[in-house]
Amino acid sequence: GQNIDQPTEMTATEGAIVQINCTYQTSGFNGLFWYQQHAGEAPTFLSYNVLDGLEEKGRFSSFLSRSKGYSYLLLKELQMKDSASYLCAVSEVLLYSGGYQKVTFGTGTKLQVIP
Amino acid sequence: SQTIHQWPATLVQPVGSPLSLECTVEGTSNPNLYWYRQAAGRGLQLLFYSIGIDQISSEVPQNLSASRPQDRQFILSSKKLLLSDSGFYLCACTGTTYEQYFGPGTRLTVT
Repeated sequence: GQNIDQPTEMTATEGAIVQINCTYQTSGFNGLFWYQQHAGEAPTFLSYNVLDGLEEKGRFSSFLSRSKGYSYLLLKELQMKDSASYLCAVSEVLLYSGGYQKVTFGTGTKLQVIP
Repeated sequence: SQTIHQWPATLVQPVGSPLSLECTVEGTSNPNLYWYRQAAGRGLQLLFYSIGIDQISSEVPQNLSASRPQDRQFILSSKKLLLSDSGFYLCACTGTTYEQYFGPGTRLTVT
């Protein structure tokens, strides 16, 4: 099974940097995802980390430490449109399942960006 | 790239009534498909996944069922809705590097 923890809410100022942490416990880790979900909308994919280290993609970066069961999403130069929930999700690929990956989502961190 | 369609977008149904939500996928063949439910203020709960036609697995026991009559069609059903079935239902498929792409969702309110 998998257990995922992330803060419920965070507030940050426009133009600033914010780091959203995620810790997980899993029996068979394959990768870690970050998704963004605006209120009332479906989640959209942000990043996928398989190996330890930092993956940078524009204003967003994601870090993974498999040995510590820890990841963070870093958002730079915050904009008002970044106000959303950020979901951490952990995947494990089940053997003999035709490539099915079981993905478990955290409850999400609601980020509010203020002027 | 794949596109996921879901309908209806919103639905209000009385307790005890049946349910049918449809999801279709374009732009990919033989996708892995998923049904999730997101209750208000809660995380995404995986309900069903499918790796092929008529190959459905359930993650949690409930009064819902799923079917996949065609490669790119996934249907979520119920014979009798409960109040606790209210939520945001999302269909998803897997991309080339395991990321999941979500449809626009169906917001279901059971009254």
